[in-house]
Amino acid sequence: DAKTTQPPSMDCAEGRAANLPCNHSTISGNEYVYWYRQIHSQGPQYIIHGLKNNETNEMASLIITEDRKSSTLILPHATLRDTAVYYCIARTAGNMLTFGGGTRLMVKP
Amino acid sequence: GAVVSQHPSRVICKSGTSVKIECRSLDFQATTMFWYRQFPKQSLMLMATSNEGSKATYEQGVEKDKFLINHASLTLSTLTVTSAHPEDSSFYICSARGPSGKPSYEQYFGPGTRLTVT
Repeated sequence: DAKTTQPPSMDCAEGRAANLPCNHSTISGNEYVYWYRQIHSQGPQYIIHGLKNNETNEMASLIITEDRKSSTLILPHATLRDTAVYYCIARTAGNMLTFGGGTRLMVKP
Repeated sequence: GAVVSQHPSRVICKSGTSVKIECRSLDFQATTMFWYRQFPKQSLMLMATSNEGSKATYEQGVEKDKFLINHASLTLSTLTVTSAHPEDSSFYICSARGPSGKPSYEQYFGPGTRLTVT
């Protein structure tokens, strides 16, 4: 599966949108972009995934560029409970999830 | 949604003893289970993959005789850390996946087990 690159850390003000970027320039056509997050001392939690089209669910929105080389996870109104490490993973369906360094998001009051 | 549980959530053991961690899929049949390990301030590292009824496949650098994995049923996998040492202290996370073609084909994660070896 393609390697992904994320900034190691980001800050966001409570109530504002958090935009977390991910670069996956070598992604292949059958690889999905998955986002998970891990709150301290818990197991990873699934957020959202997509292939080509933008996706939205009750937790977040995923914007994938037309060339699929990068994506952005958007948390529309960040709360303190969104403080976590966010992992962007490129993965072919059925392959195991391989975690990179992720982005440590700190939501501040 | 699919739920995965782990037991215990925390365990402290003495050096040289063995510890067993259980991972259960509560509402789906997990044909494949994955075991990850996470050291402080690091990412999750895959240790091994097991398919129900088969021997586990270990990642490079993971000692199969030290980390015994049993996946005897479609809802239960166990990880036994044998002759534990302080350097085995870590956060162990299991993940389960159902059969291909079903919604449970995604990977679902347990809450993790914090192992401290004294």
